[in-house]
Amino acid sequence: GNSVTQMEGPVTLSEEAFLTINCTYTATGYPSLFWYVQYPGEGLQLLLKATKADDKGSNKGFEATYRKETTSFHLEKGSVQVSDSAVYFCALRSGGGADGLTFGKGTHLIIQP
Amino acid sequence: GAVVSQHPSRVICKSGTSVKIECRSLDFQATTMFWYRQFPKQSLMLMATSNEGSKATYEQGVEKDKFLINHASLTLSTLTVTSAHPEDSSFYICSARKTVTSGQPQHFGDGTRLSIL
Repeated sequence: GNSVTQMEGPVTLSEEAFLTINCTYTATGYPSLFWYVQYPGEGLQLLLKATKADDKGSNKGFEATYRKETTSFHLEKGSVQVSDSAVYFCALRSGGGADGLTFGKGTHLIIQP
Repeated sequence: GAVVSQHPSRVICKSGTSVKIECRSLDFQATTMFWYRQFPKQSLMLMATSNEGSKATYEQGVEKDKFLINHASLTLSTLTVTSAHPEDSSFYICSARKTVTSGQPQHFGDGTRLSIL
């Protein structure tokens, strides 16, 4: 079956630091990959996505590249801000788009001023 | 942008009560909606896929008689937790995907915090 593994948190960084949150996956076929963010007290929001190998998703300074050879979709940002503090979920959807999402456990990111 | 409204946001009720949670897509049609459950500090787990006009598809281990799903229109799906017990206390989240074309992302509601006393 499908599975998503992402680094455990919490991850604590200083403002303007470089961020990497690792995500690897196991899936049949060619899944679509997503990063969702959950800010305190709010619901899940789509941050970025990639639907095929070598695609790069980007939004709000965050980037992630779909690496089929390493089955990875690591989230990166060059300079984090306090407002980036949230829980980040890596997720996949099996090819064909009919299935629900399979999520990682989430990584709690804390950015200190 | 695509908006999904989930109601209520929080429910506290006695054991044995049935609780209905609504999920509405406000500005788009959604043939398919999804229901997830999130335990504290855990990931979201897919419970079922709700298909407009047909029976829901439940994930392994999810009791369909316990978690009744109705998707009567292209903008509304409901989840009813029947005869709820304390172990059903959790955070329930719905999502919806636009009907047209594959590859569309899911849009999530803000979730419902269910507490059974």
